[in-house]
This record gives sequence, C-alpha cells and structure tokens, in this order.
Amino acid sequence: AQTVTQSQPEMSVQEAETVTLSCTYDTSESDYYLFWYKQPPSRQMILVIRQEAYKQQNATENRFSVNFQKAAKSFSLKISDSQLGDAAMYFCAYRDRGGGSNYKLTFGKGTLLTVNP
Amino acid sequence: DTGVSQDPRHKITKRGQNVTFRCDPISEHNRLYWYRQTLGQGPEFLTYFQNEAQLEKSRLLSDRFSAERPKGSFSTLEIQRTEQGDSAMYLCASSLAGMLHTIYFGEGSWLTVV
Repeated sequence: AQTVTQSQPEMSVQEAETVTLSCTYDTSESDYYLFWYKQPPSRQMILVIRQEAYKQQNATENRFSVNFQKAAKSFSLKISDSQLGDAAMYFCAYRDRGGGSNYKLTFGKGTLLTVNP
Repeated sequence: DTGVSQDPRHKITKRGQNVTFRCDPISEHNRLYWYRQTLGQGPEFLTYFQNEAQLEKSRLLSDRFSAERPKGSFSTLEIQRTEQGDSAMYLCASSLAGMLHTIYFGEGSWLTVV
C-alpha cells in the first residue's frame, strides 16, 4: 500500500520570504501522480500543484514549485514570496496513474503553515 | 456556485442516532468520492462511485455506514447508530473520469457525536 509522510507538522515563514514543505512517499508503482493540496480555515481543499511521475521536469504554478526526486521518493513544495493568504494546512497526496486504484488519493497528515506579517 | 456542495455543514448528534449527509457534485462529474478527516490527520478514502455504481468501499467503512448515489447525481452517506469515534469531517469530492482530471472537494460536513 502507498504511504505519504509529511515530517513537519508545523512551519512558519515571514511574509515575502520562501518556505519549503517536505513530503516523502512510498510506492512500488512506477507511474503515478503527486499533488499538493491547500486547506484554508474554511476547510475546502484546493489543488495547488500536480506532478506526473513520468515527467522529469518539476511542476511550477506561479509562486509554487516542486522539487520532485523520484529515486528518493521525495516531493517538496516551495512557496516563494509568501503571502498572508498562503496560511493554511498543506497536504501532500499520491495517486496511482494506472491500474485499478487510480481514482484514490492517499494523503499525508499535513503541514500547518503560518505566515507572519 | 458550481462547486461541490455538502449539507449539512455541521451536525451534532447523540450517540446511537442515525445521521445522513448529502453531497451534490459538480454537475458533469461522473466520479464521486467520500473521505473522512479527523483532527490532525489527512483525509482518508471511504468510498467511490462512478456514475451510480459504488466501485470500492474502504475497510474504514463499517456496516453502520452506507453510501448511495441514485441516478449518478447527488450522493448520500448515512451513519447508523453513531459512535463517538465517528466524530470527524466527512468530505465529498468529484471529478471526471480520466487519469488527469482534477478532484474537486466540497467544504465538508462536520459530525460531532456526543
């Protein structure tokens, strides 16, 4: 079974600074997707960024980028120029690309990000 | 608003009572998912529908839990004889079939069993 581990329960960053959230995962599959979701205090989970495992290039979405290390099974999220609105719980998630369970997301426990003004 | 909507948003019930949550997915989405999230944990998969067919149920879903999606539209999640351990947020999500399609989540239904 796939597992996702987020080793940082809480992180804080100063506004306008850069922060990196860590995620490691375990899988025997070679083809899969990795995601970072943001869950603000309103509780609706929002997709931040997605990485396809077969792509070597790291995904980027505006101020958000990932460092995907497939051999190390590591998938970190970098937030540049942090804004107060970035404060939220961030979840790393895994999903198979093929096979019978490609609909199921497996989440880590989350990292609570605080942005200090 | 055309997102995933859930009702009720909050429910407090006495132990032993039955509760039902409703989820309205994004209208053209044929896949619907239920997850459970407890404090300090990430969401855990409960069950999944493609159209009206329930294709998988997690072992987390005991016999007291039942989910339906009649006609492949909205879905209900019923918990019978609630226990304090059922206290959690129940998240509904939907997506189109296909490997790249994004899964969209609702705001969740908080259940407190007293």
